[in-house]
Amino acid sequence: GDSVTQMEGPVTLSEEAFLTINCTYTATGYPSLFWYVQYPGEGLQLLLKATKADDKGSNKGFEATYRKETTSFHLEKGSVQVSDSAVYFCALRAFGDDKIIFGKGTRLHILP
Amino acid sequence: KAGVTQTPRYLIKTRGQQVTLSCSPISGHRSVSWYQQTPGQGLQFLFEYFSETQRNKGNFPGRFSGRQFSNSRSEMNVSTLELGDSALYLCASSLVFGAGENTDTQYFGPGTRLTVL
Repeated sequence: GDSVTQMEGPVTLSEEAFLTINCTYTATGYPSLFWYVQYPGEGLQLLLKATKADDKGSNKGFEATYRKETTSFHLEKGSVQVSDSAVYFCALRAFGDDKIIFGKGTRLHILP
Repeated sequence: KAGVTQTPRYLIKTRGQQVTLSCSPISGHRSVSWYQQTPGQGLQFLFEYFSETQRNKGNFPGRFSGRQFSNSRSEMNVSTLELGDSALYLCASSLVFGAGENTDTQYFGPGTRLTVL
């Protein structure tokens, strides 16, 4: 079945460091891909999405490119802030399906 | 526009009891999905409702059920609670159901944290 694999955390970085969180997926067809973020005590917020190959999603300085050839959707940010500390989930939605399949999540700690 | 609201935010029950959780979607959204989040299993899809009909169901026992009302508000019910049902239950709403790159995104509520003692 469809699945999402993302790097396990926690990931600890200093402020202004470069961030990469790896995400790969397994799916038939052409899924939509998402990154969601969960701040402490809150629900999930959509961070960015891409719906077809080579699309780049971006928001709040975060970027991810839909790579069909490597079935990847890695999350990047050039300079992280303390306020970026949260859990990040990579997810997919298969074509024609409304449920979202999530990765296990990656906890990110940013040190001042 | 108000976001997805879930009530109650916190709930404590004992084994064997039943519980009902409520979700009000964003105004105009007709699709409501439910997810269970636990440290061990992560986020798992429970079911999805569109126009009062269950359109998709995850791999959970029959103790987990749900419904959707004509105003798109949704409830989920868990009967005969077990310790393993302790989790954060998240509700998400979206404008449309189905496929295509223009299909809307799911927007999540803050969740209901259920503790089973």
